[in-house]
Amino acid sequence: EAEVAQSPRYKITEKSQAVAFWCDPISGHATLYWYRQILGQGPELLVQFQDESVVDDSQLPKDRFSAERLKGVDSTLKIQPAELGDSAMYLCASSLAGGTGELFFGEGSRLTVL
Amino acid sequence: AQSVAQPEDQVNVAEGNPLTVKCTYSVSGNPYLFWYVQYPNRGLQFLLKYITGDNLVKGSYGFEAEFNKSQTSFHLKKPSALVSDSALYFCAVRDLGGNMLTFGGGTRLMVKP
Repeated sequence: EAEVAQSPRYKITEKSQAVAFWCDPISGHATLYWYRQILGQGPELLVQFQDESVVDDSQLPKDRFSAERLKGVDSTLKIQPAELGDSAMYLCASSLAGGTGELFFGEGSRLTVL
Repeated sequence: AQSVAQPEDQVNVAEGNPLTVKCTYSVSGNPYLFWYVQYPNRGLQFLLKYITGDNLVKGSYGFEAEFNKSQTSFHLKKPSALVSDSALYFCAVRDLGGNMLTFGGGTRLMVKP
């Protein structure tokens, strides 16, 4: 069964350091999402791509966060510099283009900022 | 703006008993509604969705959900709970033609033997 791949699964870093997460969506899925999930809360959308274009990044803290999907396939989410409040699970998901399809999630990347 | 409310932080039920996890939503227009389950330190797994048609939707692992337009609710149900159903459950909504999927805060389901 096709899966969304994410790496690393766990990352511990010190504040002010740079960190990057990678996501490879299910083959053929045009839409890719990055969500942040703080412990005990629901996921919140950071950025949504349609192919290589950003559809929605209104909740992305652009002073420190960046995301790219250069060839419309895999994607990287970067945080620089990391802050204590960035500790969370970063979830990548993908879906077929269109509004009715469910999202398929990866296992997530858990970030701890010390 | 669309939103989802899950009024219960935790639901406790005995194994073999029926369970209900509540969800209400707010969206302009007709909604697309989803339920996901999350096990510890894992990603979210899709359970079921309502797009249109029959108000009772059947999904994975014996779960079902009932769409009620007048009450703007989409409660998750299962006739007989299993200990292995213990997990975090999320309701989500997307408006017709929209892109963004908005999640509720989650409900922890605890099924005791």
